[in-house]
Parts: sequence; C-alpha cells; structure tokens
Amino acid sequence: GENVEQHPSTLSVQEGDSAVIKCTYSDSASNYFPWYKQELGKRPQLIIDIRSNVGEKKDQRIAVTLNKTAKHFSLHITETQPEDSAVYFCAALRYTGGFKTIFGAGTRLFVKA
Amino acid sequence: NAGVTQTPKFQVLKTGQSMTLQCAQDMNHNSMYWYRQDPGMGLRLIYYSASEGTTDKGEVPNGYNVSRLNKREFSLRLESAAPSQTSVYFCASSEAAFEKLFFGSGTQLSVL
Repeated sequence: GENVEQHPSTLSVQEGDSAVIKCTYSDSASNYFPWYKQELGKRPQLIIDIRSNVGEKKDQRIAVTLNKTAKHFSLHITETQPEDSAVYFCAALRYTGGFKTIFGAGTRLFVKA
Repeated sequence: NAGVTQTPKFQVLKTGQSMTLQCAQDMNHNSMYWYRQDPGMGLRLIYYSASEGTTDKGEVPNGYNVSRLNKREFSLRLESAAPSQTSVYFCASSEAAFEKLFFGSGTQLSVL
C-alpha cells in the first residue's frame, strides 16, 4: 500500500550546521507535501509545504525540495539553532480518487549548542 | 482566538469503558480531523470530516466513531476502550481539505 519513508529517524547536528531530512513516497498521484514540527510535549505545527508543480520553496532558514520523478522530497534547515530541536514529520497527500494523506514516522533533530 | 481546543487533556480508562473526546475550532475551517500518535509511527488518521455534514474513515477507524456536530465541533467516541487504544489523540482543522492543518494540544489516553 501507500507509504512514506522518512530518514534519518534521529539526527544530531552542531549549532550553525545544516540539517537535511529526506522522505520518499510510493503513490505517484501525491501532489501536496507538508512538513510539521513538533516540540517535546507540544502539538505539531506546519512549517513549510510544497505542491507538485514546484521544485523548491524557501522560507528564511527552511527550504523544501521535491523530485517528482524520483518520488522524494527533503527538508533543509540552515544555520541551525537550539530551538530547532524537535521532531519533524513529512507527509504526502493525493487528491484524486478521494483524499489520502500519509505521514512519515518522524525525525528527531537535536541541535547541540 | 483559541484555535483548536480539545478536551480532556488526560484520561485514564478501564478496558470496556466508553468516552468521548471533544474538539472545537474557532477559525471557521471547513475540514476537521482526528489523528492518533504512537511512538515511532507518526500520525495516523482515524476519521475526518472534509466539510460540515460529512465524515469519512481514515487509516485506523476500527473501534472509533465520530460526529461532526456543526461546523465548529467534531467529537471522537470510543465505545468500548481497549489497551491498543492507548495513545495521544490530536484533533486538527483546516480551511482546505488536508492542507495546512492546525492541531489541538492533544489528549493523552491510557486504557488499562
């Protein structure tokens, strides 16, 4: 069935370094790809999203890239800060034939000061 | 403007007991959702309501029922709780179906 694989499951970086989290999806009909950040004990919050007709989107230190041919998309965080420490979830959504959205299992990011 | 409010925050049930989780949003969103979050498994959709008056099953609907009471409120009911339903439950809402979800603060449910 459809699934979204997210890697790595845990990522530790030094403050100021970049962090990259990758997701692959299986349903070629997927056309909307959001990323959510969940701090410890808090609710998930949307940080950035991208549609299938766009290859890259940036918002300050955060960017997402999409490769539809390879069916993968990535979250890039530059100049990481301790407050970036959280669990990040990717998701893939398709509209055709009804709504179906699948979340990845999450990546726990540690930013060391 | 509270966003998405869900109650209760914590609940302990015995196997076989029933309960209803309440959710309300004040953003005039069309769509509402119930997710469960288990360690290492991300967020899994239980039920959703794409618009007022409609509800549909998600990935893991067994053992749950929902009611879209009005545009603001979407409740989740466990008729006969089982230990496998121990989880953190999140309600969410959005203007467009499945885009830019706003989540509630979650309900930690333990079934003994």
